Amino acid sequence: DNVMTQSPDSLAVSLGERATINCKSRQSVLYSSNNKNYLAWYQQKPGQPPKVLIYWASTRESGVPDRFSGSGSGTDFTLTISSLQPEDVAVYYCQQYYNTPYTFGQGTKLEIK
Amino acid sequence: QVQLQQWGAGLLKPSETLSLTCAVYGGSFSGYYWSWIRQTPGKGLEWIGEIHHSGSTNYNPSLKSRVTISLDTSKNQFSLKLTSVTAADTAVYYCARGGAIDAFEIWGQGTMVTVS
Repeated sequence: DNVMTQSPDSLAVSLGERATINCKSRQSVLYSSNNKNYLAWYQQKPGQPPKVLIYWASTRESGVPDRFSGSGSGTDFTLTISSLQPEDVAVYYCQQYYNTPYTFGQGTKLEIK
Repeated sequence: QVQLQQWGAGLLKPSETLSLTCAVYGGSFSGYYWSWIRQTPGKGLEWIGEIHHSGSTNYNPSLKSRVTISLDTSKNQFSLKLTSVTAADTAVYYCARGGAIDAFEIWGQGTMVTVS
């Protein structure tokens, strides 16, 4: 399996400040024939299913605020929230859909400092 | 706007078969992969398997011997069966659109399944 490892496990950031979450995959998720990274980011709030924020490592899902951005390629990826808002308190997951079994990171819990 | 609604038994005894169904509303069933994913506090999010609208399936090797995913295109529904459940199968189970070349863009509301 392609193990996905996120860091940190938890993060406390002040309102209006930047939050950065990292994700490392054991194997590359870059498909050379189309130069796409098969990597997505999700946000999950208590009692709700995960919600996709970013796919193809850096494409924002429709309706997702532009303070959310994704970057990286190959095995190392980053989710950045440029200016933390109260509604961003959640657990964030990365996930690879390059090959089966599709795998998720362990999650990063984001809180307000 | 596509929505997924799922249902099934929430309390099982060990050795029984877990059975869940997910209905797709407001959009096409064709052209997509449809997945089942579960979530536990201990193991986090675990992909169980997927089915394409053509009927082809892929399963997580860790569960493959016990899992069957099927679809009913006439009803725009797909289903999960997991046999011989144990306490380790206690989880929130989600259906989702995605897999293969797609992220999981749309999710069902989740079903808490307890094995006890």
